[in-house]
Amino acid sequence: LAKTTQPISMDSYEGQEVNITCSHNNIATNDYITWYQQFPSQGPRFIIQGYKTKVTNEVASLFIPADRKSSTLSLPRVSLSDTAVYYCLVGDIGSNTGKLIFGQGTTLQVKP
Amino acid sequence: DTAVSQTPKYLVTQMGNDKSIKCEQNLGHDTMYWYKQDSKKFLKIMFSYNNKELIINETVPNRFSPKSPDKAHLNLHINSLELGDSAVYFCASRLGLAGPSGETQYFGPGTRLLVL
Repeated sequence: LAKTTQPISMDSYEGQEVNITCSHNNIATNDYITWYQQFPSQGPRFIIQGYKTKVTNEVASLFIPADRKSSTLSLPRVSLSDTAVYYCLVGDIGSNTGKLIFGQGTTLQVKP
Repeated sequence: DTAVSQTPKYLVTQMGNDKSIKCEQNLGHDTMYWYKQDSKKFLKIMFSYNNKELIINETVPNRFSPKSPDKAHLNLHINSLELGDSAVYFCASRLGLAGPSGETQYFGPGTRLLVL
């Protein structure tokens, strides 16, 4: 399974756009890129998933370059409630085990 | 309605005791998981069951034994608890289909285990 690398922590201010980049140099052809969010004292929550180019939903956007060796999670106009740990994962869509390998995540601190 | 629930939420116990954590999902998913999150926030998969059959068993001590009475439940029993078992344990479920539509895992709220 592809290993991911992301910044350990980031700070931002309310109303700003936050971009968190994840490196996955060994991503395989069948791998999808998925981001999870974890608030303190809660389980991780699915945010967004993509394979290539750009994906957008009501929460975030995911930018994936053509070589797919990295991806960027974009959170528009963050608020204090976006303070959380964000995990980038890559997984084999051809596998029926759904095994996820979580890295250490990026702790985002949003300040007023 | 809670999608993935765990009980208890907190568990404080003495070394050497045996304890169980229960997990239930009402999503109709086929696959369930147990993860352990240590103090450094690393989430590590422990077990996975698909339709009551074990499909993933990571390097976990034999003291940990999952039990799946039906596909909606995956309980975790821990024998002879040790100090190092203190962590947050998360249950998760997934639709179980290969492909992106089945990739999303839904996590429970976690069980905070403290072994004294």
